[in-house]
Amino acid sequence: ETGVTQTPRHLVMGMTNKKSLKCEQHLGHNAMYWYKQSAKKPLELMFVYSLEERVENNSVPSRFSPECPNSSHLFLHLHTLQPEDSALYLCASSQGAGKYGYTFGSGTRLTVV
Amino acid sequence: AQKVTQAQTEISVVEKEDVTLDCVYETRDTTYYLFWYKQPPSGELVFLIRRNSFDEQNEISGRYSWNFQKSTSSFNFTITASQVVDSAVYFCALSEAEGVTGGGNKLTFGTGTQLKVEL
Repeated sequence: ETGVTQTPRHLVMGMTNKKSLKCEQHLGHNAMYWYKQSAKKPLELMFVYSLEERVENNSVPSRFSPECPNSSHLFLHLHTLQPEDSALYLCASSQGAGKYGYTFGSGTRLTVV
Repeated sequence: AQKVTQAQTEISVVEKEDVTLDCVYETRDTTYYLFWYKQPPSGELVFLIRRNSFDEQNEISGRYSWNFQKSTSSFNFTITASQVVDSAVYFCALSEAEGVTGGGNKLTFGTGTQLKVEL
């Protein structure tokens, strides 16, 4: 039990599909994040939510749409994706600023066909 | 802007060898936090250590040790007597100390070092 649970673990979707990634944290943290990990690239921060409000959108295309209904849940809604969006999507949470560390989920391996 | 550099893309060692993973960082902040994470093939990022910028004491945890040198902006990680189970990608990361109200700080990662430990 890592404290941060992501579902599904694997997802294959067509370019015209709509799907959602789910993240749930059981740690009582007040900030949640989406990161993208592509092959041979650094982890890229996509979105940051603090106290359920989006505080950063790191120039992410609109085909990615985050949602944070409460402090424990974070979603990433996907629509009309491109093959280059295939990657590992990691969710993380933290309490306050970085001084207390970040806890990551196991990720969703997304393949766009 | 923050930046983390892990110059070693891949390292291969034989079991029981010692190995050091390098990390160099850049930041304009006077207060910041440094992290090391391990990513096994399963994909999850496993937290290993956090160090704040005011604490330059080296740390040892079992076979793991960390050498933080502010003068050279480095935070290197050494595995002593490596084992096959240590095979993974290791990431160094940097976070600024203060963020927006309630948290939500950006964690800047290096590109990672793939460590392969063979029998």
